[in-house]
Amino acid sequence: AQSVSQHNHHVILSEAASLELGCNYSYGGTVNLFWYVQYPGQHLQLLLKYFSGDPLVKGIKGFEAEFIKSKFSFNLRKPSVQWSDTAEYFCAVSPHSGGGADGLTFGKGTHLIIQP
Amino acid sequence: EADIYQTPRYLVIGTGKKITLECSQTMGHDKMYWYQQDPGMELHLIHYSYGVNSTEKGDLSSESTVSRIRTEHFPLTLESARPSHTSQYLCASSKWGELFFGEGSRLTVL
Repeated sequence: AQSVSQHNHHVILSEAASLELGCNYSYGGTVNLFWYVQYPGQHLQLLLKYFSGDPLVKGIKGFEAEFIKSKFSFNLRKPSVQWSDTAEYFCAVSPHSGGGADGLTFGKGTHLIIQP
Repeated sequence: EADIYQTPRYLVIGTGKKITLECSQTMGHDKMYWYQQDPGMELHLIHYSYGVNSTEKGDLSSESTVSRIRTEHFPLTLESARPSHTSQYLCASSKWGELFFGEGSRLTVL
């Protein structure tokens, strides 16, 4: 079974600061990787995903993530955060062979607070 | 905008009551899921369905049950609620590996 580790449970940044949220996974095979975001009072939504190809993926709202296979990592980045980025961020992984999400494993989430 | 709806959003009930959390999606997705989420913890899969009349238990053992009589509808039922069932329950559907979530049902059992 796979597992996901998110290094920081709480992150506080000022506006315009750069952001990097760590995510490491453990799984012996090929994986699909995801970052989901939950804004206050809203549902979880997909931020970006990696299935194959270019390991640097770009998502919505200026976010990007890089898959480094040798490090089993899929860190989320944004060059300059905004107050509206305050949210809960979840990293998730599933085996590549799975067509659905029954094998999707989530990390515990990172609560990001952006101070004006 | 997500096309997946959960009701109720919030529910406070007494021990021993039967409750049903409703989940509907208008996207025609075959695969649907129920996750349980406690504050500061990861989402845990408790049930999933690959289509009508298909239901499976997830990684986290749960006393709840689900049914899938129609593609768009995936309700979750607790026959006798207990305080240990207090949690947030998230419904989701998927296509091509991407999950679409509802806004969640926050259940408190007194």
